Amino acid sequence: DPKIIQKPKYLVAVTGSEKILICEQYLGHNAMYWYRQSAKKPLEFMFSYSYQKLMDNQTASSRFQPQSSKKNHLDLQITALKPDDSATYFCASSQTGRGNSDYTFGSGTRLLVI
Amino acid sequence: GQQVQQSPASLVLQEGENAELQCNFSTSLNSMQWFYQRPGGSLVSLFYNPSGTKHSGRLTSTTVIKERRSSLHISSSQTTDSGTYLCALERNSAGNKLTFGIGTRVLVRP
Repeated sequence: DPKIIQKPKYLVAVTGSEKILICEQYLGHNAMYWYRQSAKKPLEFMFSYSYQKLMDNQTASSRFQPQSSKKNHLDLQITALKPDDSATYFCASSQTGRGNSDYTFGSGTRLLVI
Repeated sequence: GQQVQQSPASLVLQEGENAELQCNFSTSLNSMQWFYQRPGGSLVSLFYNPSGTKHSGRLTSTTVIKERRSSLHISSSQTTDSGTYLCALERNSAGNKLTFGIGTRVLVRP
C-alpha cells in the first residue's frame, strides 16, 4: 500500500482556473512538504509544514497556498493557474529529529495548464 | 550559482557494466541523500549518507564532506537500473528542506 497518497495522478486545467492537489501520508510523520519538478529543472522545494504549522515557504507567488486540515494531510491549492505552473508536484514527509533519514515522496501529481 | 551539481548529465551502459555518478555541492550540509526517480516519475530513497560509505546491494554511496562531494556507484548494472538518479542535500541552516541536483539519467541496454 502506498504510504503517501497524492490525488489526482494527472490533472489538466484551463488558464485562470483553480485546482487543489491532495496529499495524505500514513507514515506517522510530523513534517510534510511540497516540491515541484518542471521540465529540465531540479526538484524545487516549495513549502514545509511541521505539526500543521508552516515552517518554510520558498514559493514567491501567493497563488500557491498549502492547506492542512489534519496532521497527516497537506493539500496544495493553486489559484489563477498559468501555463508556467505546468509541472509535476510532489508531496513528501519525514519525521523531524531523525535527521530526515526517512524522507519519503509521493508519486506526484502531473499538472498541465492549457 | 547551483548549489548541487551532478555529473554526468546522462549515461548509457551495457548491462553488466559499472558506473560512478558524482554529486558536488558548494555549501555546508547536514546530510546528503540519493534518490532514484523511476521513468514514471516516482522517487525512491536509496541512501541517507551524511558522511562515509554505505552499501545497499549493488549500490554504494560515499560522501566526503571536506571535499564537498558524494558519489553513487552502481555495480553490475541491470536494465531495471535505468532511470534518473538524484542527489539532494540538507543544509545546516535550512531546516528540513532538501536541495536537489538536476540528476543523472542512466540508460542500461540489454
